[in-house]
Amino acid sequence: KAGVTQTPRYLIKTRGQQVTLSCSPISGHRSVSWYQQTPGQGLQFLFEYFSETQRNKGNFPGRFSGRQFSNSRSEMNVSTLELGDSALYLCASSLGQKETQYFGPGTRLLVL
Amino acid sequence: DAKTTQPTSMDCAEGRAANLPCNHSTISGNEYVYWYRQIHSQGPQYIIHGLKNNETNEMASLIITEDRKSSTLILPHATLRDTAVYYCIVRAGPGGSQGNLIFGKGTKLSVKP
Repeated sequence: KAGVTQTPRYLIKTRGQQVTLSCSPISGHRSVSWYQQTPGQGLQFLFEYFSETQRNKGNFPGRFSGRQFSNSRSEMNVSTLELGDSALYLCASSLGQKETQYFGPGTRLLVL
Repeated sequence: DAKTTQPTSMDCAEGRAANLPCNHSTISGNEYVYWYRQIHSQGPQYIIHGLKNNETNEMASLIITEDRKSSTLILPHATLRDTAVYYCIVRAGPGGSQGNLIFGKGTKLSVKP
């Protein structure tokens, strides 16, 4: 069974731009969670989607948003990029909420 | 979710067992212990999880103390490819309303030849 896929794998943007990252969960998984990893803050939870609804949200500003489609694929968007948004963005999928999460390889975003 | 405490770093000789401890003294009855690892710049990899009984799979064994206040992840025959940061996470089980994982700083395991 194919794992979690994330596109693109690498991205370079400039301050003020916006970016959209995509995540395709493992087939049959209905829950998708997003995490941000930086050297200073470590791995932090962004939000979780289940059945196209945001079920849980971490402590991030409103510039960070996401959505989930009927096929469970998910996107996250960051608007008005700041230098501090440079990070590895990780997507994880699970069968349902609080089931075991399986992570994708991540998208590495560099904001210049 | 309960907080966990792990050593910052550990070394292990290649071919020997690696025993990674984790303290979770405030764990509650319905919370599971999960272990993930992250090899540099890759996504975290699920290893194993358990509630109260010891668990074993093809990657590792998980030993949970009877009072559930601590656990040990055992990699029976460590290889250089096991060098990674290992995260011990406590979270409530299936059926709950919130599923996010709370990552600490983990243990940096270095397997040496």
